Amino acid sequence: ETGVTQSPTHLIKTRGQQVTLRCSSQSGHNTVSWYQQALGQGPQFIFQYYREEENGRGNFPPRFSGLQFPNYSSELNVNALELDDSALYLCASRTGGGLTDTQYFGPGTRLTVL
Amino acid sequence: AQSVSQHNHHVILSEAASLELGCNYSYGGTVNLFWYVQYPGQHLQLLLKYFSGDPLVKGIKGFEAEFIKSKFSFNLRKPSVQWSDTAEYFCAVRGNQAGTALIFGKGTTLSVSS
Repeated sequence: ETGVTQSPTHLIKTRGQQVTLRCSSQSGHNTVSWYQQALGQGPQFIFQYYREEENGRGNFPPRFSGLQFPNYSSELNVNALELDDSALYLCASRTGGGLTDTQYFGPGTRLTVL
Repeated sequence: AQSVSQHNHHVILSEAASLELGCNYSYGGTVNLFWYVQYPGQHLQLLLKYFSGDPLVKGIKGFEAEFIKSKFSFNLRKPSVQWSDTAEYFCAVRGNQAGTALIFGKGTTLSVSS
């Protein structure tokens, strides 16, 4: 167990809709990152939050946005869903306080866009 | 551009065979290196990590990896695989600054037959 939970486990949406995915991290983990893992691929970095501020972003369009809350929970929002957004979305957290901290991953949310 | 390349897409071995999975990275500056494993139906778990010091690092379940800086490589090894090692293996790199995110390779599927 990593202490990182995600909800929901599975989700089906239609093209054009909006979706919110949630993550709950361990207490004290100030950094949370979100990744998209398409089938047969490695996880791709979407963005990262540190103490409620975005401090890193991968090559994803602005319709991917997020929030981090003081209670170590976070959200990933995706607007105007496209078919290619179908993937496993992973949340990962770490303390963020040092250079040797390890990232712990949640089980993921499987999003299917029809 | 920052990237991670995993040489083998799918490796098939018999139990007790030796394993070596290749990983090369392209990243400017000092890096931290990781191997993650994803067992069927489970979330990403950290196998081992390298931050500094001895370039030969040992992880869980008998896995080890060697960092060769001159070759930009971080290959994963195990002397004798077991059926339970069947999983997806991901190599990842992260810059040595606070706030940087993991960059993953595409993964290697390992199938071990008993």
